[in-house]
Amino acid sequence: EADIYQTPRYLVIGTGKKITLECSQTMGHDKMYWYQQDPGMELHLIHYSYGVNSTEKGDLSSESTVSRIRTEHFPLTLESARPSHTSQYLCASSEVAGVNEKLFFGSGTQLSVL
Amino acid sequence: QKEVEQNSGPLSVPEGAIASLNCTYSDRGSQSFFWYRQYSGKSPELIMSIYSNGDKEDGRFTAQLNKASQYVSLLIRDSQPSDSATYLCAVNQGGKLIFGQGTELSVKP
Repeated sequence: EADIYQTPRYLVIGTGKKITLECSQTMGHDKMYWYQQDPGMELHLIHYSYGVNSTEKGDLSSESTVSRIRTEHFPLTLESARPSHTSQYLCASSEVAGVNEKLFFGSGTQLSVL
Repeated sequence: QKEVEQNSGPLSVPEGAIASLNCTYSDRGSQSFFWYRQYSGKSPELIMSIYSNGDKEDGRFTAQLNKASQYVSLLIRDSQPSDSATYLCAVNQGGKLIFGQGTELSVKP
């Protein structure tokens, strides 16, 4: 079983608040991802990282930031939460192995912004 | 046009039948393709990967790739009720894994 952890599991917060979603993995994987998924919809790539001090933007990155100071930790920050941010946020990690890349997902954070 | 497209379903098949799930992608330069299974309320898990044209079999699962047609499919033989889930097609495009919206499969006993 993959050792990738997300906290909190559920979060209800008011509009305008700053929030940080935590993601940690103990597998020593270099590559990490953040995806956003609404019910019955596809996963949208928010950010990804190739390793320490590397961060790249995905399709929905404009309203959030990430950092990668340590290999095992890849937090996602929303500076000012809005109701449109209500969604499931999934963190994943993979060994960087060219085309043979396998993603391990965390259990997700269900965010509700009131 | 979406980068990775799937029929959202739901696809309903009787127990023991073959379930066929399809996916098309837009980037002709894509080299690697994946099928993930996602149970309701759970995170996706990898079930198959394929990189070369043709078929790849793993137990009851067969992935098929046709790069000329930009088409990937997943066949599930002897479908079981436990196979009922959403199946996500994913394509590696320039180092990013892009997912389709998924096809919901329901296997009826």
